[in-house]
Amino acid sequence: EPEVTQTPSHQVTQMGQEVILRCVPISNHLYFYWYRQILGQKVEFLVSFYNNEISEKSEIFDDQFSVERPDGSNFTLKIRSTKLEDSAMYFCASSGGTQGIYGYTFGSGTRLTVV
Amino acid sequence: DAKTTQPNSMESNEEEPVHLPCNHSTISGTDYIHWYRQLPSQGPEYVIHGLTSNVNNRMASLAIAEDRKSSTLILHRATLRDAAVYYCILNDYKLSFGAGTTVTVRA
Repeated sequence: EPEVTQTPSHQVTQMGQEVILRCVPISNHLYFYWYRQILGQKVEFLVSFYNNEISEKSEIFDDQFSVERPDGSNFTLKIRSTKLEDSAMYFCASSGGTQGIYGYTFGSGTRLTVV
Repeated sequence: DAKTTQPNSMESNEEEPVHLPCNHSTISGTDYIHWYRQLPSQGPEYVIHGLTSNVNNRMASLAIAEDRKSSTLILHRATLRDAAVYYCILNDYKLSFGAGTTVTVRA
């Protein structure tokens, strides 16, 4: 069964450093998403991406965050200057369509620890 | 965002069916009803989704009320591996996760 692959599985970084979280969505999917989950809390939407543009972003997704699809397979989330409160699990997801017509496939996540 | 209401927790015995209710009284005509689950220390996993008709797949069944204001996820024979948080979500261009229902399966 096709999978969404995320790397690394765990990243430790110092406060103020830049991090890039990587995702390989399912190859024929067109819609891509990033979510995060702080330990013990709900899964939160960050951003959706389609046709090389951000479709929607949440209040969490401020100027510190950016997304990119640098080639035909990767989808990345960059945090420019990490803060302690950015420590969380970050999940990438992809879908074959929008408006809920198709289900979403999630990756296993990257655990980001900011020290 | 359209909202859903789920019980905080449910318990079941192994190999018995589990019926997980979800209320979504403010659903719009184009909202798909999605169910995902999250096993401990894992990412959300797609379970099933539907619009108006009942749906079946290898994991579960989804029963949707005629007025679409509620739905029920049915796990036909619970196993220990089904212990997870189950989320009922109305999809309007993105998934908005609530607290979900924590399902415990007793051996």
